[in-house]
Formats: sequence, structure tokens, C-alpha cells
Amino acid sequence: AQKVTQAQTEISVVEKEDVTLDCVYETRDTTYYLFWYKQPPSGELVFLIRRNSFDEQNEISGRYSWNFQKSTSSFNFTITASQVVDSAVYFCALSEAGPISSGSARQLTFGSGTQLTVLP
Amino acid sequence: NAGVMQNPRHLVRRRGQEARLRCSPMKGHSHVYWYRQLPEEGLKFMVYLQKENIIDESGMPKERFSAEFPKEGPSILRIQQVVRGDSAAYFCASSPPVVASGISGELFFGEGSRLTVL
Repeated sequence: AQKVTQAQTEISVVEKEDVTLDCVYETRDTTYYLFWYKQPPSGELVFLIRRNSFDEQNEISGRYSWNFQKSTSSFNFTITASQVVDSAVYFCALSEAGPISSGSARQLTFGSGTQLTVLP
Repeated sequence: NAGVMQNPRHLVRRRGQEARLRCSPMKGHSHVYWYRQLPEEGLKFMVYLQKENIIDESGMPKERFSAEFPKEGPSILRIQQVVRGDSAAYFCASSPPVVASGISGELFFGEGSRLTVL
């Protein structure tokens, strides 16, 4: 069974601070995908990144960076120089890569989310 | 290129009524997923459908909930005899067909339908 744990329920930072959101996952599969989504106050889900289990290279996209550590089953997300507009709930998610016919291959297992508040 | 369209965005029902939530996938997408987000929780998988076919409904409550994705028209998530515990945001996602053994893994989410049961 898959599980995603986001231990930080809420984080508050002051604008321009860096902040790291933690994500730890459990899966028995050797091939899987990890995701981060942002849910702003308006409620929609915004896709941020997808990473497959064979690619442990860290990724940077503007102020966002992701640190994938397979050895510790973690996929942490860092926002550098945070801004008020970054305030949102951030979800980490995991999906297996199974047979095409398997629904489980396409299901996402979400963590419970981290509410990030960036104060001006 | 329109994204995943869900309607209604907000729906209010009294206990015992029926709720119908609609989802039109992105153009070219033949796979639809429904997820439920209870207040202050993450999203939970409910059902995965292809056209005229339910692939995986392991996350659907056994009673009162049903989903369909007809050959023509949107996917529908139907909740009969709603109860207060059904109040949640219901998200639909779609993905393109998968080729061979490749799994893209990326789902495109709609903006959600928020159901309130009074």
C-alpha cells in the first residue's frame, strides 16, 4: 500500500524567507512517480512537478526547487525568497507505474497537505 | 485549449436529495478520475473511468455513489440521498491515453465542485 506523509500541517514565514516543505512516502514499487500540487485559496489544483523514481536529479524552476532522496524516501520542496502569493496548501502525491489496464497505475495518493502562509 | 471543466462549481443540497456533478475532460483525453477532498484533508481517489467503462472504483463508497463516462457527453458523479458527511470538494482529473507501457502519470485537474449538504 502507498502512503504519503506531510508532517508539517501549517507553516508561516515572513516574505523573502526560504521555506522547505517535507514529503515522505512509502511504496513497495520500484517504479513510481512523485508530484507536488499547489492549491491556492481559490481552490483549484495547480500542477507543479512530476518526478519518476529513476530520476534522482534535483530540479530547480525559478524560486522552486525539489530534493528527491530515494534513500530516505523523501521528496522535499523548497521555495526560495517566498512571496505572499505563495500562500497556499501544498500537496505531495505518489502514483505507481503498473500495467496499463490497472487503475492503480494512474491513481494518485495524496498527502494531507501543508498550509503555507507567507506574511508580508 | 480548454482545460478540465467541472460544473457546477458550487452545489447546495438538503439531506436526502441527489447531487450530480459533471466533468468534461480535456480535448483528446479519454481517461477520467474523480477525487474527493474532505475539509482540511488531502484528496482521496474515488473512481477511474474510460469511455463507457469503469476501470477502478475501489475508492467509491459502496452505497449511494455512482459514476459514469458515456460515449458522448461529460462524466457524471452521482450521489443519491446525500448526507452531511458528503459535503466536500469533488475534483475531476483527466489524462490522455497511455501508449504501450509508458505511464505519463500526469493528471490534469479541474477546479472542483464544492458540495454543501444542509
